[in-house]
Amino acid sequence: QEQLVESGGGLVKPGGSLRLSCAASGFTFSDHYMSWIRQAPGRGLEWVSYISTTGSHSAHGDSVRGRFTISRDNTRNSVFLQMNNLRAEDTAVYYCARVISAKPVWGHGTLVTVSS
Amino acid sequence: EIVMTQSPDSLAVSLGERATVNCESSQSILYSSKNKTYLAWYQQKGGQPPKLLIYWSSIRESGVPDRFSGSGSETDFTLTISNLQSEDVAVYYCQQYFSTPPTFGGGTKVEI
Repeated sequence: QEQLVESGGGLVKPGGSLRLSCAASGFTFSDHYMSWIRQAPGRGLEWVSYISTTGSHSAHGDSVRGRFTISRDNTRNSVFLQMNNLRAEDTAVYYCARVISAKPVWGHGTLVTVSS
Repeated sequence: EIVMTQSPDSLAVSLGERATVNCESSQSILYSSKNKTYLAWYQQKGGQPPKLLIYWSSIRESGVPDRFSGSGSETDFTLTISNLQSEDVAVYYCQQYFSTPPTFGGGTKVEI
């Protein structure tokens, strides 16, 4: 069964940092691009970052570029999101997802709350 | 970036009736050589992650009731919920996975 499990969310102060992790199982992880998608309270789905199969290419949305960094470790079937200089508007549920070029698979999400 | 436009923003349907949600992509998401359309539909209920209903534009995910169906091609797509049930009250999203970045429609709220 294809599965994604996120961890690392929590409460952080503005300007702080957080690192999200996502563990994949049930499929050949290294064959797939991976993404982080977020959903702010009461809002729609927003693409945050994606990374290529080898990690050689990645991209980030305008709202997080320069602050967030996506990475992956194919030996551990894991993808990560390093979030720095967090702002109140980054408060959201963050989903790890396989949503590029293949049948989609989503995790259950991890909540990130940025508040003083 | 491919823009996905959903309509309507919300709709109210009587129990047992049909609900139709539309989604338009700003460019074709049909991969001709593979004859596959890279379009997915999701259902999301309060406090839950998006649930995959339909992928490859018209393939129903395992366990999804057959009252849910997807259709369309190239740039215009439809999610149809036949015989609407109370448990179908939710927000529905379309998503293209043809090219990077993955992009989503704004969502359609379906109510009774």
